[in-house]
Amino acid sequence: QKEVEQDPGPLSVPEGAIVSLNCTYSNSAFQYFMWYRQYSRKGPELLMYTYSSGNKEDGRFTAQVDKSSKYISLFIRDSQPSDSATYLCAMGYAGGTSYGKLTFGQGTILTVHP
Amino acid sequence: DADVTQTPRNRITKTGKRIMLECSQTKGHDRMYWYRQDPGLGLRLIYYSFDVKDINKGEISDGYSVSRQAQAKFSLSLESAIPNQTALYFCATSERTGGSGANVLTFGAGSRLTVL
Repeated sequence: QKEVEQDPGPLSVPEGAIVSLNCTYSNSAFQYFMWYRQYSRKGPELLMYTYSSGNKEDGRFTAQVDKSSKYISLFIRDSQPSDSATYLCAMGYAGGTSYGKLTFGQGTILTVHP
Repeated sequence: DADVTQTPRNRITKTGKRIMLECSQTKGHDRMYWYRQDPGLGLRLIYYSFDVKDINKGEISDGYSVSRQAQAKFSLSLESAIPNQTALYFCATSERTGGSGANVLTFGAGSRLTVL
């Protein structure tokens, strides 16, 4: 079993839809949770990250973490064609010998059509 | 200019050839990483380096080697390339935050390697 599981999709939605992207994980030692966005032929770039259970909002994006269920989500409101990309969840440790190593999900391919 | 530059961007080679992928950064970060991306498998860590004298294996280091020539340069070598090393390779950097913060990676644009 992979430490981090992410539905690869692909996911296709109309412009303006609310998108939900999800990851589950098995390692309860993970201390922070990240979402990266990767456009075609580009490297991943950080969207947002959070340490604690609950919601963190940044514009149209909301990251949600449920540590008790080992489940994280990224919600995109009012989705735009420019949101079309691959979204990768990633998890890591805030200290200790594993600090600096991120474990990534498989990535979800999202297409928002006009 | 990009903060993290990878060369070459695309490379086609034959089985058994030696290949080097190079990475340089202008962010002044201590930490550098090499990841491999395959469809359906996400990003997997090959090697990482927390400073010039520190090299560590990641989860899939077999068949690869690295060299940290300077703080700003980190190269990945395939001594004898094989077809299942065909993939998209990413270099990334991060800044040491004292071990108490999230490790935010800055990625290069990737090097697409095809081994025939």
